[in-house]
Amino acid sequence: DAKTTQPNSMESNEEEPVHLPCNHSTISGTDYIHWYRQLPSQGPEYVIHGLTSNVNNRMASLAIAEDRKSSTLILHRATLRDAAVYYCILRAIYNFNKFYFGSGTKLNVKP
Amino acid sequence: DVKVTQSSRYLVKRTGEKVFLECVQDMDHENMFWYRQDPGLGLRLIYFSYDVKMKEKGDIPEGYSVSREKKERFSLILESASTNQTSMYLCASTGMTGRNEQFFGPGTRLTVL
Repeated sequence: DAKTTQPNSMESNEEEPVHLPCNHSTISGTDYIHWYRQLPSQGPEYVIHGLTSNVNNRMASLAIAEDRKSSTLILHRATLRDAAVYYCILRAIYNFNKFYFGSGTKLNVKP
Repeated sequence: DVKVTQSSRYLVKRTGEKVFLECVQDMDHENMFWYRQDPGLGLRLIYFSYDVKMKEKGDIPEGYSVSREKKERFSLILESASTNQTSMYLCASTGMTGRNEQFFGPGTRLTVL
């Protein structure tokens, strides 16, 4: 099963952009790249996903490398409420139950 | 507002008890999942269901069973709870393909004494 690698933790200042990296060197052509985040004492929530092209939504942007072996979640202006664990996961288009959540990146946002 | 709800936020049981964790989704999703989350281990898939009465084992099914009698409801059963099943349990649901986002419930923190 394709897996992802993320740094254990990162730190950012409030109001500054944050770039959260993810490596997925064994990604297959039919794997979607999903990002979720988990706030303290809550279940994970969806952030964004993409296949090949960069994606933007109201929460974040997703930049996908041309070879798809890595991606970066971009929070344009970090707020204290963005402090969470961020998970990068791969989901196969049809065999989607087979995916690996990993340990994620714990983002700390300093005021 | 779409929702996945879980029957309890906190639960304390004794070793050997039978435990039921209930999950309900209101999005008409075909697929439902049960995970457990432990410090340093991330989320691990216990079981999932892709249709009513259909189920498949995830990565750590030992000691658990599941039931899906109705599309909106997915239950996790601990037949005889043990202390090593103390954990945070998360239910999730999703649509039919990998494009679809997964919606999670708030979690149930189960303590087995």
